[in-house]
Amino acid sequence: AQSVTQPDIHITVSEGASLELRCNYSYGATPYLFWYVQSPGQGLQLLLKYFSGDTLVQGIKGFEAEFKRSQSSFNLRKPSVHWSDAAEYFCAVNTGNQFYFGTGTSLTVIP
Amino acid sequence: EPEVTQTPSHQVTQMGQEVILRCVPISNHLYFYWYRQILGQKVEFLVSFYNNEISEKSEIFDDQFSVERPDGSNFTLKIRSTKLEDSAMYFCASSRDTSNQPQHFGDGTRLSIL
Repeated sequence: AQSVTQPDIHITVSEGASLELRCNYSYGATPYLFWYVQSPGQGLQLLLKYFSGDTLVQGIKGFEAEFKRSQSSFNLRKPSVHWSDAAEYFCAVNTGNQFYFGTGTSLTVIP
Repeated sequence: EPEVTQTPSHQVTQMGQEVILRCVPISNHLYFYWYRQILGQKVEFLVSFYNNEISEKSEIFDDQFSVERPDGSNFTLKIRSTKLEDSAMYFCASSRDTSNQPQHFGDGTRLSIL
């Protein structure tokens, strides 16, 4: 069965520090992978996507993610976090008609 | 940039009543979706819709739910005889295609069942 796992429920980082949010997926075929961000009271905004080619993908707001097939992972990274990055982050896999979302990682940024 | 819009932003309904959540997908998109997010939980797929019919639905999407595209722009989710556990954020999304095309999400409708 398809699934997406985000092992970290909550992460706290200092502003300016680097960030890595983990995502592991379970899917038999080549996955189409996405990261979305959700600010409080708002909808889901696409950060970046991967479906083929270069395994390191760049997204908006300075985020990037690396697809590692051998580890079934698609971790999200940012070299220097800003206070405005505080939000909920969701990893998702698209199997065609349906998106499977992870449970999300809540990011807190401290001054 | 085109957006998916949802109305209302917040809906309060008495238990047992029917509610209709409305969405206007991006105009050149062909695939439409509804998702639910219960407070503090993950986003859950409800249903996908293409060519005026349901293409896939989850276990959550039982006979209590229905979707409709009543005209060329709106996409609605109807919940009949609402229950307390239907309280959640409901997100509409649309995409040009499936597979590698991202789904664009609306800001959601918060449904509160009293």
